[in-house]
Amino acid sequence: GQSLEQPSEVTAVEGAIVQINCTYQTSGFYGLSWYQQHDGGAPTFLSYNALDGLEETGRFSSFLSRSDSYGYLLLQELQMKDSASYFCAVSYYGQNFVFGPGTRLSVLP
Amino acid sequence: ETGVTQTPRHLVMGMTNKKSLKCEQHLGHNAMYWYKQSAKKPLELMFVYNFKEQTENNSVPSRFSPECPNSSHLFLHLHTLQPEDSALYLCASSQGAGGEDYEQFFGPGTRLTVL
Repeated sequence: GQSLEQPSEVTAVEGAIVQINCTYQTSGFYGLSWYQQHDGGAPTFLSYNALDGLEETGRFSSFLSRSDSYGYLLLQELQMKDSASYFCAVSYYGQNFVFGPGTRLSVLP
Repeated sequence: ETGVTQTPRHLVMGMTNKKSLKCEQHLGHNAMYWYKQSAKKPLELMFVYNFKEQTENNSVPSRFSPECPNSSHLFLHLHTLQPEDSALYLCASSQGAGGEDYEQFFGPGTRLTVL
């Protein structure tokens, strides 16, 4: 089967850096994606890693280690608007996706 | 309209009712998805359509019946639901070409309450 693990909650202050980890067990793995979901909103795509290493998109970076079945999302210069839930998702054969349970990030002033 | 739209946004139904959820995408994508999001549970993929053909059905009860008449529209027909089916139902689309497909675009969801 497919399963992903993430911390349930993370709290940080404005301007800080926070890392949200994701470990997965899956077969037929293509890559690891990250999504952000504000309360009452739809998930929105943040980043994707198919190869090992770091992908940087503005204040957000994502990392993947296929050998360790592990990835993380790094958020820098935290802002209040970053308070949301963050989901990692594994894509595998075809158009199939499995989402992690989500990490609720609270950014404090 | 742009992106992915869903109607209705909120739905309350009894266990004996029949209703349908509608999703439309304006992105020119070929793959469409239904997800269920319950409190304290991960997003659960229910159905996948690629070029109007159903490619995934993740052990969803038969009281949920999807329909994809074309690549832009997706329906979820509901009948004889149970209270535990109350959740946010999200529709998503992606490029969908049979190969690696990683970015999904989600609609705002339908908040369903089954009484």
